[in-house]
Amino acid sequence: QKEVEQDPGPLSVPEGAIVSLNCTYSNSAFQYFMWYRQYSRKGPELLMYTYSSGNKEDGRFTAQVDKSSKYISLFIRDSQPSDSATYLCAFIIQGAQKLVFGQGTRLTINP
Amino acid sequence: EAGVAQSPRYKIIEKRQSVAFWCNPISGHATLYWYQQILGQGPKLLIQFQNNGVVDDSQLPKDRFSAERLKGVDSTLKIQPAKLEDSAVYLCASRLPPGGAQFFGPGTRLTVL
Repeated sequence: QKEVEQDPGPLSVPEGAIVSLNCTYSNSAFQYFMWYRQYSRKGPELLMYTYSSGNKEDGRFTAQVDKSSKYISLFIRDSQPSDSATYLCAFIIQGAQKLVFGQGTRLTINP
Repeated sequence: EAGVAQSPRYKIIEKRQSVAFWCNPISGHATLYWYQQILGQGPKLLIQFQNNGVVDDSQLPKDRFSAERLKGVDSTLKIQPAKLEDSAVYLCASRLPPGGAQFFGPGTRLTVL
């Protein structure tokens, strides 16, 4: 079983739609949960960072963590063409400093 | 604040040749990482430095890859000799411990022919 499972997509939705991106994980030692956005030919940039179960909102983005089910989600409301990118879930084991990434989901928002 | 700088941005070499990548982290960031990102996959950690000491190089193919971070600032990653499967984007990231997010550079896209 892979440590992190993320649907690679591609996912294509119309502008204004709500987007749901998901990852499952198997390592119970993961304590910090992140979403990175990566535009083509750029490095990943941090979007959301949380360490507890529940929801965290930042503008049009909501990160959701369910530790009991080992499942994290990123929701994008009122999606814009500028949201077109690859979205990577990432995890850190408490006490360690390295990121474990999912495969990434390629998202396209069509005008 | 200047971001993480990497050079070159692109490199094409033939298999069995050598190549080196350079990274300049954000000023004051003590922790530096090198990741390999193969097309269609998430980044995979190769090596982590804390100042100029290696913290984790468990996934670095040491028979052909080497990295150093002199004086705890800039870092170089070298591949010698390169194989076809080394074609990937090599990302450098830095972080200001404790806690804090990792900030990534734009990466070096390596093509091995």
